[in-house]
Amino acid sequence: EDQVTQSPEALRLQEGESSSLNCSYTVSGLRGLFWYRQDPGKGPEFLFTLYSAGEEKEKERLKATLTKKESFLHITAPKPEDSATYLCAVQAGGSYIPTFGRGTSLIVHP
Amino acid sequence: EAGVTQFPSHSVIEKGQTVTLRCDPISGHDNLYWYRRVMGKEIKFLLHFVKESKQDESGMPNNRFLAERTGGTYSTLKVQPAELEDSGVYFCASSSTGGGTDTQYFGPGTRLTVL
Repeated sequence: EDQVTQSPEALRLQEGESSSLNCSYTVSGLRGLFWYRQDPGKGPEFLFTLYSAGEEKEKERLKATLTKKESFLHITAPKPEDSATYLCAVQAGGSYIPTFGRGTSLIVHP
Repeated sequence: EAGVTQFPSHSVIEKGQTVTLRCDPISGHDNLYWYRRVMGKEIKFLLHFVKESKQDESGMPNNRFLAERTGGTYSTLKVQPAELEDSGVYFCASSSTGGGTDTQYFGPGTRLTVL
């Protein structure tokens, strides 16, 4: 069974304090790994898709990386508006059905 | 381009009542998915439509849940009769048909509370 574990569950940072969120996964044949951002009361907002180990993608202060067992979402010099829950999901094998982690709740204090 | 929309945003019903949730996908997206997030748990897949056909409904909890997608456009998810454990946030997502990994775009969700 595919599994996705995100850590930490919650993270508090000061504005400008860089950090990383972790997504560990167990899947039979990774098709793709997704990062989403979710604000309170809203649906997940797509950020990145990573397909193979060694791949990296960046968007503003966010950078996602992928290995064969985990993915990191690096946040550089975060701002309060980066506060949200960040979700990781994987697609495996021949399925389009993603398996989600429980997310990391990030709060960035000014 | 309009995103995925869902209606209603909130619904509070009594146990035993019926509720129908609606999802309008992004125009032109053939794939439509329903998910549910129960408090404290991860988002879980319910079912997948390709146009008007059910491609995969392995995540549907039981026969109290009925999903339809008439004409391959909007979809409805009916819960009848609702039970307490059906409470949660129901998300709809859509994606375009194409090879490779399927990037899904989510709606804002419907928060269902069963009392």
